[in-house]
Amino acid sequence: QKEVEQDPGPLSVPEGAIVSLNCTYSNSAFQYFMWYRQYSRKGPELLMYTYSSGNKEDGRFTAQVDKSSKYISLFIRDSQPSDSATYLCAMRYAGGTSYGKLTFGQGTILTVHP
Amino acid sequence: DAGVIQSPRHEVTEMGQEVTLRCKPISGHDYLFWYRQTMMRGLELLIYFNNNVPIDDSGMPEDRFSAKMPNASFSTLKIQPSEPRDSAVYFCASSLTAGGDTQYFGPGTRLTVL
Repeated sequence: QKEVEQDPGPLSVPEGAIVSLNCTYSNSAFQYFMWYRQYSRKGPELLMYTYSSGNKEDGRFTAQVDKSSKYISLFIRDSQPSDSATYLCAMRYAGGTSYGKLTFGQGTILTVHP
Repeated sequence: DAGVIQSPRHEVTEMGQEVTLRCKPISGHDYLFWYRQTMMRGLELLIYFNNNVPIDDSGMPEDRFSAKMPNASFSTLKIQPSEPRDSAVYFCASSLTAGGDTQYFGPGTRLTVL
């Protein structure tokens, strides 16, 4: 079983829709949670970063972490065609010798059509 | 700043040949990461360095893979001998610290081993 599970999709939605992307994880030692966005043939770029449980909002994007359920989500409101990309969840430990190591989900391919 | 620079952007080689991928991190960043991305396995951390010293190489698949960081502005990932299953996109990323700072990814090197 992978440490981080993410449905690869693909997910196709109309412009303006609310998008929900999710990841589950098995290792309770993960403390920091991130969402990266990757456009086609580009490197991933950090979109959202949260520590521990709770919500974080940035414009049209909201990240949620539920540590009791080992479940994280990214919501995109009023989705735009420019949001079309692969979204990867990532997480890491709070300390230890490998605390710099990020563990990524498979990525969800999202297409927002006009 | 030009961001993380990787070369070559594309590499096509034959099985058994040596392959060397190069990375120049963002100036001032103390951490450098090498990742591999495939459809099957997603984005995987191979190795990361702190101040030019390898910290965690547990993701390096086998002895055919080696990575060096002779100075703060240059790193290489070498595969010798290469095999078709090494075909993937290899990303280099750098960050100021291993903790709360963003990892900035390069554009990647698309490797095809025939």
